[in-house]
Amino acid sequence: DSGVTQTPKHLITATGQRVTLRCSPRSGDLSVYWYQQSLDQGLQFLIQYYNGEERAKGNILERFSAQQFPDLHSELNLSSLELGDSALYFCASSVDGGVNTEAFFGQGTRLTVV
Amino acid sequence: DQQVKQNSPSLSVQEGRISILNCDYTNSMFDYFLWYKKYPAEGPTFLISISSIKDKNEDGRFTVFLNKSAKHLSLHIVPSQPGDSAVYFCAASGTGTASKLTFGTGTRLQVTL
Repeated sequence: DSGVTQTPKHLITATGQRVTLRCSPRSGDLSVYWYQQSLDQGLQFLIQYYNGEERAKGNILERFSAQQFPDLHSELNLSSLELGDSALYFCASSVDGGVNTEAFFGQGTRLTVV
Repeated sequence: DQQVKQNSPSLSVQEGRISILNCDYTNSMFDYFLWYKKYPAEGPTFLISISSIKDKNEDGRFTVFLNKSAKHLSLHIVPSQPGDSAVYFCAASGTGTASKLTFGTGTRLQVTL
């Protein structure tokens, strides 16, 4: 158990809908990352937050948004869902989000868009 | 633009032998490198890391080698065990624009009996 909690574990929704994925980081970790893993693909970095503020942005679509709340949990909002958004979405956390620190991953949310 | 590359999508090794997983990177701003292991339906698990000031880091059966001039790192697993069968991701981070943890596409290792 990495200490990072993601909910829900599975989500099935229709095209055009909006969903929210939730992540609770490890106790004491200030930084949260979101990654997307499509079928047989690597982990694509979406976005990173540190202590409530956006720190880095990757290949995140405009239909997607995220935020980190004062209690440090984070939410990833996916809207106008398309079939191609079906993927595993991972959240990770690290102590300070800086270099030379490893990130710890949650078990992921499997999103299926039908 | 794939800044961290794992060119071998899969690798099969016999139990007891050495497994060597390779990773190349292009961004010279990367100075910290990590290996993660992933089982199906689970999140990646941190395995071992190396800072750019070193060329080798060892932890039990796992050793990571870094060749900065070639922008290449490798993970050696000796001896390989069936429980090592998983997908292995190489990752890198650094300063500035390289500060996010960037992953390779993974190598699926199968250790056979």
